[in-house]
Amino acid sequence: GENVEQHPSTLSVQEGDSAVIKCTYSDSASNYFPWYKQELGKRPQLIIDIRSNVGEKKDQRIAVTLNKTAKHFSLHITETQPEDSAVYFCAAKKSGAGSYQLTFGKGTKLSVIP
Amino acid sequence: DAGVIQSPRHEVTEMGQEVTLRCKPISGHDYLFWYRQTMMRGLELLIYFNNNVPIDDSGMPEDRFSAKMPNASFSTLKIQPSEPRDSAVYFCASSPGLAGGHEQYFGPGTRLTVT
Repeated sequence: GENVEQHPSTLSVQEGDSAVIKCTYSDSASNYFPWYKQELGKRPQLIIDIRSNVGEKKDQRIAVTLNKTAKHFSLHITETQPEDSAVYFCAAKKSGAGSYQLTFGKGTKLSVIP
Repeated sequence: DAGVIQSPRHEVTEMGQEVTLRCKPISGHDYLFWYRQTMMRGLELLIYFNNNVPIDDSGMPEDRFSAKMPNASFSTLKIQPSEPRDSAVYFCASSPGLAGGHEQYFGPGTRLTVT
């Protein structure tokens, strides 16, 4: 089955700096890669996703890049703010009409220091 | 839409007792997922349903766990008998599927403590 590795497990940055979280996946059949943000005591919520036919996607201060050849994808947050502090999870999903399950990474706890 | 609804939000029970967690997915969503979250193991998929039919239950840890979806608006996850190592936050999520997209919408979770 799919295996998703996520690094680092914790990350501290100064407010205004950039943060980068990296994930690798094992199954070359995976074609959908979402990122979820989970604030303390809250539910995970989708913040951005990318499909395998796209190399990069941006949404304001966040961006995701995908390297299919190397089987890794990354989340970039620029101009970090205290409200960005949360646990971020990457995930991967295989292609195919019958496959709807996501495999999640272990998460990265991001702390933005004011 | 109220989003995915889970109950109870918190459950404290003694080892050996039966625990039932409940979920109401977003109306019109074809897929429903049950996850377990712990510090050690992260977010683990336990089972998921498509149109009320269980598709993959390979993540269910053992026979003590069972899940049902009797109709499109209700699902249960049951643990019988419960053990302290079952303590975790259990999330239910739903997804439109197919043309509706792959995003999974999570419920608020049920924090289970087994003493």
